[in-house]
Amino acid sequence: ETGVTQTPRHLVMGMTNKKSLKCEQHLGHNAMYWYKQSAKKPLELMFVYSLEERVENNSVPSRFSPECPNSSHLFLHLHTLQPEDSALYLCASSQGASGGRGQETQYFGPGTRLLVL
Amino acid sequence: KNEVEQSPQNLTAQEGEFITINCSYSVGISALHWLQQHPGGGIVSLFMLSSGKKKHGRLIATINIQEKHSSLHITASHPRDSAVYICALSVGGTSYGKLTFGQGTILTVHP
Repeated sequence: ETGVTQTPRHLVMGMTNKKSLKCEQHLGHNAMYWYKQSAKKPLELMFVYSLEERVENNSVPSRFSPECPNSSHLFLHLHTLQPEDSALYLCASSQGASGGRGQETQYFGPGTRLLVL
Repeated sequence: KNEVEQSPQNLTAQEGEFITINCSYSVGISALHWLQQHPGGGIVSLFMLSSGKKKHGRLIATINIQEKHSSLHITASHPRDSAVYICALSVGGTSYGKLTFGQGTILTVHP
């Protein structure tokens, strides 16, 4: 148990559906992250929120829309996805106060395994 | 060329063997992380290193900043150590922990 939860754990959706992934952290952290993990590829950073502001968007297509309503919750809204978007989506959080050195341990949720048909 | 390279990509061992996984990188870093990912998908941070050596139980991580190289060692390996081990870099310059990931090493330990 890392203190970061994600729901749902599994999701199957059609290309015309709209769905949302939810992440919640109970650690009092200020930074939250969305990652994509496709088969046989390294983890890819998608978005970073620091103090509820988006600070990184790693050239992610607009069919993925993040939302951070407060420092404990992070959402990833999905619409008109493609089959190649099928992957494991991981949320993480970190303290977010490393003073510019970026030396922070990240705490990961269990992930949402997404299948787009 | 990727900024982070791990070797080997796959590793099979018998229970009790000493295991080494290597990570080489090509950029300046503020820290290097070793992560463990079990088959269910969840990722756990094992170590964060900026110099020297750290030990936790049967796991030892070392880093040589000059050579841009780190190793993760597992002593007396056990089937429950079977997982993907991922090396990741913190390059600094942000107030949050932005990471660059290696491709992972798949470790299988047989009883």
